[in-house]
Amino acid sequence: GAGVSQSPSNKVTEKGKDVELRCDPISGHTALYWYRQSLGQGLEFLIYFQGNSAPDKSGLPSDRFSAERTGGSVSTLTIQRTQQEDSAVYLCASSPYGGDYGYTFGSGTRLTVV
Amino acid sequence: SQQGEEDPQALSIQEGENATMNCSYKTSINNLQWYRQNSGRGLVHLILIRSNEREKHSGRLRVTLDTSKKSSSLLITASRAADTASYFCATRSQGGSEKLVFGKGTKLTVNP
Repeated sequence: GAGVSQSPSNKVTEKGKDVELRCDPISGHTALYWYRQSLGQGLEFLIYFQGNSAPDKSGLPSDRFSAERTGGSVSTLTIQRTQQEDSAVYLCASSPYGGDYGYTFGSGTRLTVV
Repeated sequence: SQQGEEDPQALSIQEGENATMNCSYKTSINNLQWYRQNSGRGLVHLILIRSNEREKHSGRLRVTLDTSKKSSSLLITASRAADTASYFCATRSQGGSEKLVFGKGTKLTVNP
């Protein structure tokens, strides 16, 4: 597609429920990143996929968080047993290859855990 | 952890004035990038400067990089109300992961 697409744009969930956030990167971009941004804060790195290599999961805050990227394209970020502190905007980005190029970001998913 | 630290945290200027934002970082880098964010959603890539470059221009934007001081600055000339946004620097560490590490940003307000 023309840009990075994220869905849903907004998600309200009850504490303890599982949520899935989807990211559709730009076609042909081999690198895909997930970040989250709490209100008024900077971006916190979560996970990075590059082609068929093992993902860099070093930013995932707990084992409740997981992500996969199927067929080198669409990615899903799953948060199990959501907590109120998980409330944030979850941003996905892609780039042609790694960190030597600028990222193209999606518009994000605003997650609110009540 | 935060690599880049932007300064100031907030900046308010009049339309037509220049805006300067600074970024300091801690480790050796491969490149440094600046992004703009409107309304707390997706970020837009503005400019990338590599570690062997000292200055780069793009339209009304001028970025400088001083690797000896581990700092960068973003200058927006002849600012417009539409430049109102948060600006983030991001660094890719040398020899490390491909991921970018972002600072907390400078919130710029341009008053008409």
